Amino acid sequence: ETGVTQSPTHLIKTRGQQVTLRCSSQSGHNTVSWYQQALGQGPQFIFQYYREEENGRGNFPPRFSGLQFPNYSSELNVNALELDDSALYLCASSPGLAGAKMNEQFFGPGTRLTVL
Amino acid sequence: DAKTTQPTSMDCAEGRAANLPCNHSTISGNEYVYWYRQIHSQGPQYIIHGLKNNETNEMASLIITEDRKSSTLILPHATLRDTAVYYCIVRSSGSARQLTFGSGTQLTVLP
Repeated sequence: ETGVTQSPTHLIKTRGQQVTLRCSSQSGHNTVSWYQQALGQGPQFIFQYYREEENGRGNFPPRFSGLQFPNYSSELNVNALELDDSALYLCASSPGLAGAKMNEQFFGPGTRLTVL
Repeated sequence: DAKTTQPTSMDCAEGRAANLPCNHSTISGNEYVYWYRQIHSQGPQYIIHGLKNNETNEMASLIITEDRKSSTLILPHATLRDTAVYYCIVRSSGSARQLTFGSGTQLTVLP
């Protein structure tokens, strides 16, 4: 069973640029969530996708957008990068939406984004 | 989701039990207690969850008080590889979308 994978591992961009981060969910999981983790803080929820539809969003501006594909892999896109977007971006997959066991989110290793 | 309170940091000697407390005094009846940990520069890892009964798995034990206002995660024989930030999260089993992470407890296992 393949776990959650993310690419790239590290990325350096300059302010104003756009970035796309990718996530492959664990086999059998149809729900993907994205989190942003600034240095020294806990992860903060960006949004979640369930069967290719956005299913909830945290307190992030519209320049953070996403997609989920039929194979349940997902992308996070960030436009007009700002210095404060520098963070570890985590993707987590889970087998569904409801039930206690469905909350066992499985995280990938993350993508470290640095904005200069 | 209910708010949780955890100590900022704890130390534990290698081979001893590590007991990590969490206060969740505003927990409601349908909310579960989840524990995750995050080893430096890795993604968080699910450890265990429970509703009101004590739970045990291959990684840890979870003790929830009878009034459910607090819980303790127990790592029975801590190793150096257990050094990590441990997050206690309370949420319902319904269609809640996200995990709400606090600051967690930095556990350092000392040789």
